[in-house]
Amino acid sequence: GENVEQHPSTLSVQEGDSAVIKCTYSDSASNYFPWYKQELGKGPQLIIDIRSNVGEKKDQRIAVTLNKTAKHFSLHITETQPEDSAVYFCAASSGDKLIFGTGTRLQVFP
Amino acid sequence: GAGVSQTPSNKVTEKGKYVELRCDPISGHTALYWYRQSLGQGPEFLIYFQGTGAADDSGLPNDRFFAVRPEGSVSTLKIQRTERGDSAVYLCASSLAGQGTDTQYFGPGTRLTVL
Repeated sequence: GENVEQHPSTLSVQEGDSAVIKCTYSDSASNYFPWYKQELGKGPQLIIDIRSNVGEKKDQRIAVTLNKTAKHFSLHITETQPEDSAVYFCAASSGDKLIFGTGTRLQVFP
Repeated sequence: GAGVSQTPSNKVTEKGKYVELRCDPISGHTALYWYRQSLGQGPEFLIYFQGTGAADDSGLPNDRFFAVRPEGSVSTLKIQRTERGDSAVYLCASSLAGQGTDTQYFGPGTRLTVL
């Protein structure tokens, strides 16, 4: 079955700097890759997703890149703000369920 | 419109007891998913409903876990003879049609603690 690995597990950046989180997946049939942000005590919230027919997608300060050959995808957050502090999860899907990474705790210091 | 809602938000029970967790999906969403999230981990898939039927229950850990969705809307996750290892946050998500590339919207979760 699918396996998703996520790095780093923790990431601390200064406000205004960029943050990058990387994930790799094992199932070449996976074709959908969402990223979720989870704040303490809340459910995961979708922030951006990418489908396998594109290599990059951007939404304001957030971008995701996908390399299907290498089976990895990355989340890029530019101009980080303290409110970006949360746990971020990548996921992959080739069918009806999402397989999640283990999460990255992002801390943005003012 | 309203998002996915889950009740209760917290549930504390004793080992060996039976519990029911409820999920109200987004109106009109035909697909409903249950995930379990242990501390410091990502959500893990339990079961997926398409309409009233369980299309994939491969993530249920054992036969103490069961879920229903009798009218194709609200779903209940049922856990019999609870064990301390069942303690986790149980998340529900829904999507419009259940296609692999559909966005899944998550509820706030139910935190289950088994003493």
